[in-house]
Amino acid sequence: RKEVEQDPGPFNVPEGATVAFNCTYSNSASQSFFWYRQDCRKEPKLLMSVYSSGNEDGRFTAQLNRASQYISLLIRDSKLSDSATYLCVVDSNYQLIWGAGTKLIIKP
Amino acid sequence: DAGVTQSPTHLIKTRGQQVTLRCSPKSGHDTVSWYQQALGQGPQFIFQYYEEEERQRGNFPDRFSGHQYPNYSSELNVNALLLGDSALYLCASSRDPSSGNTIYFGEGSWLTVV
Repeated sequence: RKEVEQDPGPFNVPEGATVAFNCTYSNSASQSFFWYRQDCRKEPKLLMSVYSSGNEDGRFTAQLNRASQYISLLIRDSKLSDSATYLCVVDSNYQLIWGAGTKLIIKP
Repeated sequence: DAGVTQSPTHLIKTRGQQVTLRCSPKSGHDTVSWYQQALGQGPQFIFQYYEEEERQRGNFPDRFSGHQYPNYSSELNVNALLLGDSALYLCASSRDPSSGNTIYFGEGSWLTVV
């Protein structure tokens, strides 16, 4: 079993739709969780950290369920510019473990 | 304030050759991590340098080695290149190795082995 697993993509959704990404992790001792966004042939960029209480940043909402070892990212009112690959990242013993990413394609 | 800078941006090498990739961390950062990202995959952790020492290492063979200089800049060396080493090599810097600090990535070095 991979340490961090994400939904296989790609997700093809119409503009304005709500999109949900799911991620599970295997190390119950993990302390920090992140969502990164990576555009084609570019470096990953931090989208948001994920806190136990859940957190929201505009159209983006991240949730953490420690009991189920599950992280989610919700994008509301999706825009064309949201098209990218979304990577789930878990910090285990100061080492970042990355999921393979889920590609999102927003269509007009 | 310059962010993380990497060089070269693109390079092509032949199987069996050696390559050195370079990274300058963001100003104020003392920790450098290297990642390998193959097409369609997430980044894979190679190793991390702090205070000029390798602090952690991922599941990569000894052909992958590194160095950190007193000014915190770092190098990644790969010997005896294989076709499978073709990938984007990302350098990331942070203020210290503890978790919770935001890491910043350079734009990466695209390595093609032929």
